[in-house]
Amino acid sequence: NAGVMQNPRHLVRRRGQEARLRCSPMKGHSHVYWYRQLPEEGLKFMVYLQKENIIDESGMPKERFSAEFPKEGPSILRIQQVVRGDSAAYFCASSQGTSGVSYEQYFGPGTRLTVT
Amino acid sequence: AQKITQTQPGMFVQEKEAVTLDCTYDTSDPSYGLFWYKQPSSGEMIFLIYQGSYDQQNATEGRYSLNFQKARKSANLVISASQLGDSAMYFCAMREGTTNAGKSTFGDGTTLTVKP
Repeated sequence: NAGVMQNPRHLVRRRGQEARLRCSPMKGHSHVYWYRQLPEEGLKFMVYLQKENIIDESGMPKERFSAEFPKEGPSILRIQQVVRGDSAAYFCASSQGTSGVSYEQYFGPGTRLTVT
Repeated sequence: AQKITQTQPGMFVQEKEAVTLDCTYDTSDPSYGLFWYKQPSSGEMIFLIYQGSYDQQNATEGRYSLNFQKARKSANLVISASQLGDSAMYFCAMREGTTNAGKSTFGDGTTLTVKP
């Protein structure tokens, strides 16, 4: 059973470009979470999605950032007009949801975004 | 609001000795879970141990144990018989509720260095 997959693992963008980060949850998982880790800091929650729904976006910056988790395909975190301050590691996690008995959320390997 | 505090930015321990990494938390929800993760220099997040707020006994997983003091709102990680491979960043995290759904709040981490 493949784990949480994220791609690309490394992404370099110039200021003003768009960044698209993809997350494929574990098989059978319908809940996806995105976190951002700035250098030398802990992970900060960004957004929580279920299929076709945003459940909690309280950690998302108000502008330039958006996320989706379509019925088919991976979850996408999109950053428009990137700035240097967006350089960070972006982690995705997935879980079964409240119907599952496990307490665990499973993390992907992360995408390291560098804005030049 | 959830809050996690890790007061030790860096810790050193001699190989084969035990080390305690501190974590205090704050929440108004009586139902919550506490987690510890290891992040080696390669960057992935590795789940180590979980403690539920209603668990009567402290959690243990191999060389890892969680010293859970509910009244003090502390959840310290104890690593016994440290190994060189334990050198990494360690994050304490909390999630309200006891299911696998919902956002997690992370501390800023403790960098552990194991000396030979």
